[in-house]
Amino acid sequence: ETGVTQSPTHLIKTRGQQVTLRCSSQSGHNTVSWYQQALGQGPQFIFQYYREEENGRGNFPPRFSGLQFPNYSSELNVNALELDDSALYLCASSSGQGAVGYTFGSGTRLTVV
Amino acid sequence: AQTVTQSQPEMSVQEAETVTLSCTYDTSENNYYLFWYKQPPSRQMILVIRQEAYKQQNATENRFSVNFQKAAKSFSLKISDSQLGDTAMYFCAFAIRGSQGNLIFGKGTKLSVKP
Repeated sequence: ETGVTQSPTHLIKTRGQQVTLRCSSQSGHNTVSWYQQALGQGPQFIFQYYREEENGRGNFPPRFSGLQFPNYSSELNVNALELDDSALYLCASSSGQGAVGYTFGSGTRLTVV
Repeated sequence: AQTVTQSQPEMSVQEAETVTLSCTYDTSENNYYLFWYKQPPSRQMILVIRQEAYKQQNATENRFSVNFQKAAKSFSLKISDSQLGDTAMYFCAFAIRGSQGNLIFGKGTKLSVKP
């Protein structure tokens, strides 16, 4: 059974640029959620994708957007990067909607300079 | 607004001893789940234990158990026979049933197990 894989593991971007982070869900899982974890904080929910549609969103601006593909993998896109976007971005997959049964990936560390 | 509070930023325990991590939460909902996650240096969040709010019996997973006090909105984690591999950040989290994936996390407690 393959777990959740995220790429890249680390990334450095300049303020104002755009970034795409990728997540492959665990085999058999059809739901993907994204979280932002700032240094010294707990993760914060960005959004969830189920059957290629966004079906839940946290308190993040529209410059945070996503996609889910037919194979249930997902992308997180962030436009117009700000210094405060520097964080660990975690992807979690599950076999249904909701927060039960999550398997998390090891995250992408994004640094905005 | 729903919140989760972990009042102990750091804790340490000797190997083989018992430690309890505290967590309180605030919600007006009645149907929810509570979780403890472990985040080692590998960064991956690993589920330690889960509790359904409608169940009065405290959840147990091997050396890990919880003390769930619904009226007090308290959800502490007890680790028995602590092992060096238990060293990690521990996060308490909460999700309303049907909330479309929104896990609300506390700020975490850094646990160090000393030999």
